[in-house]
Amino acid sequence: KNEVEQSPQNLTAQEGEFITINCSYSVGISALHWLQQHPGGGIVSLFMLSSGKKKHGRLIATINIQEKHSSLHITASHPRDSAVYICAASPAWGTGNQFYFGTGTSLTVIP
Amino acid sequence: DGGITQSPKYLFRKEGQNVTLSCEQNLNHDAMYWYRQDPGQGLRLIYYSQIVNDFQKGDIAEGYSVSREKKESFPLTVTSAQKNPTAFYLCASSIITAVTAHNEQFFGPGTRLTVL
Repeated sequence: KNEVEQSPQNLTAQEGEFITINCSYSVGISALHWLQQHPGGGIVSLFMLSSGKKKHGRLIATINIQEKHSSLHITASHPRDSAVYICAASPAWGTGNQFYFGTGTSLTVIP
Repeated sequence: DGGITQSPKYLFRKEGQNVTLSCEQNLNHDAMYWYRQDPGQGLRLIYYSQIVNDFQKGDIAEGYSVSREKKESFPLTVTSAQKNPTAFYLCASSIITAVTAHNEQFFGPGTRLTVL
């Protein structure tokens, strides 16, 4: 069983649609990370959050610590948002700064 | 510009050969990591290092070796003992603070290794 589960695995949307990607985790965490991986392979960090909600442009990330669940929302989606979105959990302190990674959600936004 | 570089972007090797993947960072980060990515799987940790001349095995260290002689550099050698070496390899780095689990990791562009 994976410590971090993401859904859906694949997602296709029309340009302009509101998109939600979900992440559930089973470990105690100090922070939850959302990462974006473009087709070239490089990964960039979108959000790191330990409570509540963060917003950056059209991207919104929320986390519910009690329910061990996080969501990534994309408003007014655009073809350039097409990428793989990865959820990663920072487990409890003293574990070597390791992350637990979800398998990713592959998003395709069609013009 | 500060960042992490990995070279080469694509690497082809014959079965049975050792190959070394480069990872360099100029972010002055103490910690560095090597991950392997396979289709349909999350990133898996191979090795990590939190200080020069010290490193720890991750979840899938068998068939790999690393060194950390300099803070900026953390090369990964894929040895002939690695049974299925074809994969995408990502290097990352982060700062180390007392609250280690809160630290963001910065990723390099990756190296795609194909063993023929």
